[in-house]
Amino acid sequence: QVQLQQWGAGLLKPSETLSLTCAVYGGSFSGYYWSWIRQPPGKGLEWIGEINHSGSTNYNPSLKSRVTISVDTSKNQFSLKLSSVTAADTAVYYCARNGLERRGYYYYYYMDVWGKGTTVTVSS
Amino acid sequence: SSELTQDPAVSVALGQTVRITCQGDSLRSYYASWYQQKPGQAPVLVIYGKNNRPSGIPDRFSGSSSGNTASLTITGAQAEDEADYYCNSRDSSGNRPFGGGTKLTVL
Repeated sequence: QVQLQQWGAGLLKPSETLSLTCAVYGGSFSGYYWSWIRQPPGKGLEWIGEINHSGSTNYNPSLKSRVTISVDTSKNQFSLKLSSVTAADTAVYYCARNGLERRGYYYYYYMDVWGKGTTVTVSS
Repeated sequence: SSELTQDPAVSVALGQTVRITCQGDSLRSYYASWYQQKPGQAPVLVIYGKNNRPSGIPDRFSGSSSGNTASLTITGAQAEDEADYYCNSRDSSGNRPFGGGTKLTVL
């Protein structure tokens, strides 16, 4: 059973860089894309970006200038860095596995395994 | 546009059927996936693809799609189904936007 364990600094000051890591246990790492998602207090989910084992990435255009997602295949880990944080970046950050199935002409995309979430607060 | 639109809130009487919808241009090309989130918990995948349920998800949850609209239907809603529900899809640029979420109240 695949499990995601995530960690990182929970309190940042404005202009600092957010850094989180997610480790994958109990399953294949190389066969998937891996996502970061965040949720500000009382608000909805926002997809931040994704990476696969070879380092290929896709980023949310609204965050792309500040986001870097990287991978360490030797440790089955992937990481998120978000630079120049402000109070608007205060959120619970989740890592997740991107599932993919091909059915005929169609591909099914989904996020089937999630980390427990890390609360990040940006405050001076 | 890769935006997905959901009704902010929906209510259903206990044991009745409720449909939660998600609209967006990307849904003409890609199926939605649906997530249930209860307070203080991580989201849980409940439906993906044409109408697929992960292991452990009750069969009262089902999905459908038509044109630019995806739907999540709960047939015989239970008290434990009260939660926020989010749709997600992929767009042609590889982005994976979420809908704004629907708060489901079971009366």
